[in-house]
Amino acid sequence: GDSVTQMEGPVTLSEEAFLTINCTYTATGYPSLFWYVQYPGEGLQLLLKATKADDKGSNKGFEATYRKETTSFHLEKGSVQVSDSAVYFCALNIGYSTLTFGKGTMLLVSP
Amino acid sequence: GAGVSQSPSNKVTEKGKDVELRCDPISGHTALYWYRQSLGQGLEFLIYFQGNSAPDKSGLPSDRFSAERTGGSVSTLTIQRTQQEDSAVYLCASSFTSGANTGELFFGEGSRLTVL
Repeated sequence: GDSVTQMEGPVTLSEEAFLTINCTYTATGYPSLFWYVQYPGEGLQLLLKATKADDKGSNKGFEATYRKETTSFHLEKGSVQVSDSAVYFCALNIGYSTLTFGKGTMLLVSP
Repeated sequence: GAGVSQSPSNKVTEKGKDVELRCDPISGHTALYWYRQSLGQGLEFLIYFQGNSAPDKSGLPSDRFSAERTGGSVSTLTIQRTQQEDSAVYLCASSFTSGANTGELFFGEGSRLTVL
């Protein structure tokens, strides 16, 4: 079935470091891909999305490119801040009824 | 409020008891979703409502789990005869129609259930 695999965390970085969180997927057809973020004490919120191959989603300095050839949607940011510390979830849609999420990757950024 | 509201935020119960978890979606959102977040397991889909109907309940793990939605608004997730493996954070999300297709789900902060 359809699934999402994320790199395990926690990912620990110093402020201003470069961030990559890997995400690969298995799906029938051509899903849309998403990154959600969960800040401490808050609900998940949509960070960015891409709906077709080679699309790049971007928001708040984060980017991810939909790579059909490698079935990947890696999240990147050039310079992380302490306020980026959160849990990041990669997800794909499998029709109208639901999103399938990865297990989440915790990011910890120190000053 | 403006967001998805869930209650209780924390629930501790004894094995074998029934529990009810409530979700109040964003006004005007016709779609409502329940997910379960367990340690190390990510988000597990439970059930999806469109209006008061549940066209997809494929994620409910057993017949001890049920959910309903009334008035196209509030939803209740009921777990009967709770087991320790039911301990998790139960998340509710809502969206406009076809929200899953666009990825625009709005999540509540969750109800943390602990079964002793």
